[in-house]
Amino acid sequence: DADVTQTPRNRITKTGKRIMLECSQTKGHDRMYWYRQDPGLGLQLIYYSFDVKDINKGEISDGYSVSRQAQAKFSLSLESAIPNQTALYFCATRGGDNTGELFFGEGSRLTVL
Amino acid sequence: GEDVEQSLFLSVREGDSSVINCTYTDSSSTYLYWYKQEPGAGLQLLTYIFSNMDMKQDQRLTVLLNKKDKHLSLRIADTQTGDSAIYFCAEMMTNTDKLIFGTGTRLQVFP
Repeated sequence: DADVTQTPRNRITKTGKRIMLECSQTKGHDRMYWYRQDPGLGLQLIYYSFDVKDINKGEISDGYSVSRQAQAKFSLSLESAIPNQTALYFCATRGGDNTGELFFGEGSRLTVL
Repeated sequence: GEDVEQSLFLSVREGDSSVINCTYTDSSSTYLYWYKQEPGAGLQLLTYIFSNMDMKQDQRLTVLLNKKDKHLSLRIADTQTGDSAIYFCAEMMTNTDKLIFGTGTRLQVFP
């Protein structure tokens, strides 16, 4: 079983719909992140959380919100999806060691029509 | 600002060496990373280098760090078709403790 699990893996939706992407982890890490990946733009940080009560905006948080329901769960919401939010979304976790290694989920591909 | 830059594509012949380059912005970054993304998968850490090092070698991989020029490179010796992937450079931003990724370099290895 994967250590970092994202659901759904693929989703097609229409403009204006509310979408939630969920992430759960079994690594026991405090830090969790949401990134989006667009061709030619690499990964951009949307939100990150250092623990349940600590949530921070990343580079591109507009149009997104997050919820850290528990240490193991970090969900990303699009309240009213728009076509330019079509992208591949990654959840990642990070432990407390000094290397800063991130552990990624397999990604959620979202298409907004 | 926070900006990590890479060239988008690199094509090499199998058996040759590949060199992927990256420039970063935070001169006080503590760690710099190379991640690999295979098709349909998330990113996986390939290697990393601490900022007080100039070079790190790990089997076929050699990482070179030039702090003065804020330049990081990844050399893959004897490149194989299985090395075909997207390679991301990333830096750890010291004041915010977050990772900033580059645009990714797509490496294509042909026979």
